[in-house]
Amino acid sequence: NAGVTQTPKFRILKIGQSMTLQCTQDMNHNYMYWYRQDPGMGLKLIYYSVGAGITDKGEVPNGYNVSRSTTEDFPLRLELAAPSQTSVYFCASIRGMGTEAFFGQGTRLTVV
Amino acid sequence: AQTVTQSQPEMSVQEAETVTLSCTYDTSENNYYLFWYKQPPSRQMILVIRQEAYKQQNATENRFSVNFQKAAKSFSLKISDSQLGDTAMYFCAFMKQNTGNQFYFGTGTSLTVIP
Repeated sequence: NAGVTQTPKFRILKIGQSMTLQCTQDMNHNYMYWYRQDPGMGLKLIYYSVGAGITDKGEVPNGYNVSRSTTEDFPLRLELAAPSQTSVYFCASIRGMGTEAFFGQGTRLTVV
Repeated sequence: AQTVTQSQPEMSVQEAETVTLSCTYDTSENNYYLFWYKQPPSRQMILVIRQEAYKQQNATENRFSVNFQKAAKSFSLKISDSQLGDTAMYFCAFMKQNTGNQFYFGTGTSLTVIP
């Protein structure tokens, strides 16, 4: 059971470039999330999805886009990368209300 | 947005001793869940313990226990018999029932266990 698989683990982008962070879960969870983690700031919610075809903004959505075409996949798209998007990104999923969140291993993104 | 506050950015404890990490939260909800997650240097987020707000009994998982004070909106984590492997960042998290069931995280406490 792989859980939540997130790729890549590390990436360096130049300002203005675009990229997609991939996230796949094999637990048939309806709820999926993207968080960013900055030093001293905890984890902030970027986007979330409650099922295939349904997505919504979190606390810090600007500069990002998501899609959810299947239950398994929840990619995060960065358009026109900016230094402010340098962060560690986590994908997570849950089965339902009050249940444990399963996290991917994170992506360390640096925008230079 | 919900607020989760961890007022101790860094803490240290001697191996085999006990340490308590503090967490307070702000909500008007009556039905919610609280969690402690551990993030070791590997970066992987690991669930330590979970508490349902409607349960008065404090959750316990082996060496980890919580002191849940609902009226005070306090949710502290006690680690007994600290081990070197407990060295990590610890995040307190809150979840209320809504459309997204999302977590709200505190800023974290960096715990170092000293041999």
